[in-house]
Amino acid sequence: EAQVTQNPRYLITVTGKKLTVTCSQNMNHEYMSWYRQDPGLGLRQIYYSMNVEVTDKGDVPEGYKVSRKEKRNFPLILESPSPNQTSLYFCASRSGDLYGYTFGSGTRLTVV
Amino acid sequence: ELKVEQNPLFLSMQEGKNYTIYCNYSTTSDRLYWYRQDPGKSLESLFVLLSNGAVKQEGRLMASLDTKARLSTLHITAAVHDLSATYFCAVHKAGNQFYFGTGTSLTVIP
Repeated sequence: EAQVTQNPRYLITVTGKKLTVTCSQNMNHEYMSWYRQDPGLGLRQIYYSMNVEVTDKGDVPEGYKVSRKEKRNFPLILESPSPNQTSLYFCASRSGDLYGYTFGSGTRLTVV
Repeated sequence: ELKVEQNPLFLSMQEGKNYTIYCNYSTTSDRLYWYRQDPGKSLESLFVLLSNGAVKQEGRLMASLDTKARLSTLHITAAVHDLSATYFCAVHKAGNQFYFGTGTSLTVIP
């Protein structure tokens, strides 16, 4: 089944403890993105990647890192999480402009 | 910064009625996408509009794009309960940059 897989689905962590949210897609898509969803703000793009080793900042990149060493994987790294990063995170991939994103199931992160 | 505004933010409509959701954006773009999100779920791609005047239809939903007016509409015809969800438009800028609207929460009541 074509899908974007994120892990974990739920995560509670403490301020300052490094964490990684994994994202993997099995559709050979070139484009991948990370979004955060907050009430009243819609989805905001954190980072995106247009191919292996090609990444760029989205609208709200502060406090996040990404890497794209392989086409299928696009992990999101929070080096020192803070409470304002408590949010619902989505990874998404697409093959090109003719298609919309395929989204992962989401990761609900709480930083205390 | 590209701004995307959706109207209305909340919409409660009776089954069988028609309604339109509007998506306005602030800078030039010729690619617009519509998504649906059910409560507690992920987003699902509905429509991809790639040029001025583009119109796409699927069941009771029809989306259109007017790039000159910087406006996209999502029209709902004869609403049914299954259409209750939050609908997002997203505008493509350069490369892989996207800007989402804040969403329209639609509730269809019997």
